[in-house]
Amino acid sequence: GENVEQHPSTLSVQEGDSAVIKCTYSDSASNYFPWYKQELGKRPQLIIDIRSNVGEKKDQRIAVTLNKTAKHFSLHITETQPEDSAVYFCAASRGKNSGYSTLTFGKGTMLLVSP
Amino acid sequence: DAGITQSPRYKITETGRQVTLMCHQTWSHSYMFWYRQDLGHGLRLIYYSAAADITDKGEVPDGYVVSRSKTENFPLTLESATRSQTSVYFCASSAGFGSPLHFGNGTRLTVT
Repeated sequence: GENVEQHPSTLSVQEGDSAVIKCTYSDSASNYFPWYKQELGKRPQLIIDIRSNVGEKKDQRIAVTLNKTAKHFSLHITETQPEDSAVYFCAASRGKNSGYSTLTFGKGTMLLVSP
Repeated sequence: DAGITQSPRYKITETGRQVTLMCHQTWSHSYMFWYRQDLGHGLRLIYYSAAADITDKGEVPDGYVVSRSKTENFPLTLESATRSQTSVYFCASSAGFGSPLHFGNGTRLTVT
């Protein structure tokens, strides 16, 4: 089955700095890669996702990059703000045309943005 | 996402008791999932369902039972609760594999 490794487990940055969280996956057939943000005591919520037919996707201050050859993908947050403080999870799965599979999550990264 | 609700939000039970966690979604999503979240382990899949009356095991199914008689409901039952099942349980739904998951608010279960 799929195995997703996520690094770092904790990340502390100053407000305004950039933050990068990296994930690697093992199943070369995986083609769907979402990122979830979970604030303390809340549910995980999708913030961005990418499919294997694109290498990069941006949404305002967040972006995700995908390197299929190396089997890794990364979340980039620019101009971090205190409200970005949360646990971030990456995940991978096979979608349509690739043999379906359920999402496998990384263990999460706790991001702390200090004012 | 108000379209998926879990109950109860908090539950304390004793070892050996049966407890059922409820999950209801209003999107008519075909797929529903149960995850448990524990520190250091992230989100681990317990069971999932592709449609009414179709269920399948995930990564950590032992000690749990699910059913899906109606598309909108996906209850999770702990037949004989153990302390190792103390966790936060999240129900989720999606339109299909390769589609975003929508999570409920979670149930914090404590087994004493």
